[in-house]
Order: sequence, then structure tokens, then C-alpha cells
Amino acid sequence: AAGVIQSPRHLIKEKRETATLKCYPIPRHDTVYWYQQGPGQDPQFLISFYEKMQSDKGSIPDRFSAQQFSDYHSELNMSSLELGDSALYFCASSLAAYPAGNYGYTFGSGTRLTVV
Amino acid sequence: KNEVEQSPQNLTAQEGEFITINCSYSVGISALHWLQQHPGGGIVSLFMLSSGKKKHGRLIATINIQEKHSSLHITASHPRDSAVYICAVDFGNEKLTFGTGTRLTIIP
Repeated sequence: AAGVIQSPRHLIKEKRETATLKCYPIPRHDTVYWYQQGPGQDPQFLISFYEKMQSDKGSIPDRFSAQQFSDYHSELNMSSLELGDSALYFCASSLAAYPAGNYGYTFGSGTRLTVV
Repeated sequence: KNEVEQSPQNLTAQEGEFITINCSYSVGISALHWLQQHPGGGIVSLFMLSSGKKKHGRLIATINIQEKHSSLHITASHPRDSAVYICAVDFGNEKLTFGTGTRLTIIP
């Protein structure tokens, strides 16, 4: 069965550079979530999209932006990278089903970003 | 405040032992997820619960809505079960709040 695909799997960038992470949700899923997991830390919610519109926002720095495209894939753009941005970035997708909540919440394998 | 607490933080057991990991949360929820994270980081979703009990192979997850508590059980544990197990809760806004995880090590 198709899963949530994230690319790239690993990314090394220098300070002040820009990075773009991509997430391809499970087919027919309409909601995408981005999480950041720093070394030894719990994953923290960054941002989510439903039907190409931002649905919720967490602790996402202003240097980061994201969007969801017409094919439901999402991209997380990170500019002016800092050493502290080094983390594992997870994407998850689900199918929103009002009012019963979301279904099929599935995680991607993550993108490990290292800023040097 | 929406909080998720897990216990224990670390658990070491012999192969074959019955394992229980606990999760408590502070307020009403839409759903609770049990996740498994191996070294290298990939997260696998084990269960999503909103009530009752689910079973898959040697894994069993239960939730008590009134007591705001969930447990993950592993029967006949095996070294390949060694991983970090994370409880993550949807407090109704569809984003997940994660517990701190339980690092499980099964010794042959």
C-alpha cells in the first residue's frame, strides 16, 4: 500500500542557506501535518494544511513557510538556516471526515536535516 | 493545558516478558495514537484509539476515556521490539501532542 513519501531522506545545508522539504501524502488524503523533532526531543507540531489551506499553526519560525499544492503534496521551505534547525522533520497525512475527526493518520519516514 | 505523560521513560526486560507502557493525558481527546520509533528515526503508527481496545499480533492497546489513560501491551516480547514507543494525543484540533516516549530494550 502507498505510504507517505518524504524527500529527501537526508539533507545537509550550511548556515544561512535555504532548504525545501517535500511531502507526498497517501492518495485521497486531504490533510498534511509537519512536525519537527530535535535531537533527544519529542516531535513538535509546526503547521498543517487541509484542502490546500493552512488549517493550524504551531511553533513554526517566521523563517519557515509551507504550502499545500493542488495535488495535495506539501513543501516546507526553510530559509536563513541556523544550527538549531538541525532536526528530523516528519510529515503526516490524514483524511478529514467532519465531524468524526481524521482518519488514517500516517507518518512519513522523515527528512533528517543537518545544518553545518 | 493539554499534556501527555508516559511511563516508564526507560524499560529493560528479558525476551518473552509481558510489557506494559502507560500514557495519561490531561483533558478530553478525539483520539490517541501509539507510535513506534526505531533508531534512525522513522515513525510507525501502531494504533489509533478513541475507545475500548485494539489488538494486532502481539500488541494490544487499551484506552479508558473516563480515567484519561491508555496502555500499550506487548506479549511474548522479542529483541526486535526494542524501540521508542510514543503516545500521541489529538485533543480535538487534529494536530498531535506527543508524550516523551518510552525507550524499550528487550534482552535476548
